[in-house]
Amino acid sequence: GDSVTQMEGPVTLSEEAFLTINCTYTATGYPSLFWYVQYPGEGLQLLLKATKADDKGSNKGFEATYRKETTSFHLEKGSVQVSDSAVYFCALHTGGFKTIFGAGTRLFVKA
Amino acid sequence: SAVISQKPSRDICQRGTSLTIQCQVDSQVTMMFWYRQQPGQSLTLIATANQGSEATYESGFVIDKFPISRPNLTFSTLTVSNMSPEDSSIYLCSVEEPGEAFFGQGTRLTVV
Repeated sequence: GDSVTQMEGPVTLSEEAFLTINCTYTATGYPSLFWYVQYPGEGLQLLLKATKADDKGSNKGFEATYRKETTSFHLEKGSVQVSDSAVYFCALHTGGFKTIFGAGTRLFVKA
Repeated sequence: SAVISQKPSRDICQRGTSLTIQCQVDSQVTMMFWYRQQPGQSLTLIATANQGSEATYESGFVIDKFPISRPNLTFSTLTVSNMSPEDSSIYLCSVEEPGEAFFGQGTRLTVV
């Protein structure tokens, strides 16, 4: 079945460091791919998305490129801030009404 | 984009009791989804709720434990019945528009 695998956390970085959170997926068909963010004590918010191969989603300095050849959707940010500390979920949506989530990666950014 | 209001935002409940969580959407939607997020875990789909029919439950979840109502196209409730400490989780309501899911802020439940 469809699944999402993302790197285990927690990830601890200093402010202004480069961030990569790896995400790979398994899906039949052509899924849309998402990154959601969950700040402490809050629900999930959509961070960015890509709906087809080679699309790049971007928001708030975060980027991820839909790589069909490697079935990946890695999240990157060139310079993280303390306010980026949160849990990040990679997810896919295959057109049926169901979203499949990865396990989540907790990011801590130190000042 | 859909705006979802969920309440209560948090509660502390005694074991053996039940809690009903409400989810209100600002637009009419065909399907609403209920997820559980156990401490430190990802989201697990509990059930899908369609208006006018019984909810469809995922493996490991049963109607007696998690009864769901869907009286109209903008509202749903999830009840966590006969609670135990293992039910302590965040419960999230979600709706989907083409290709994207939207979430309520979640209900943080602690069972003591």
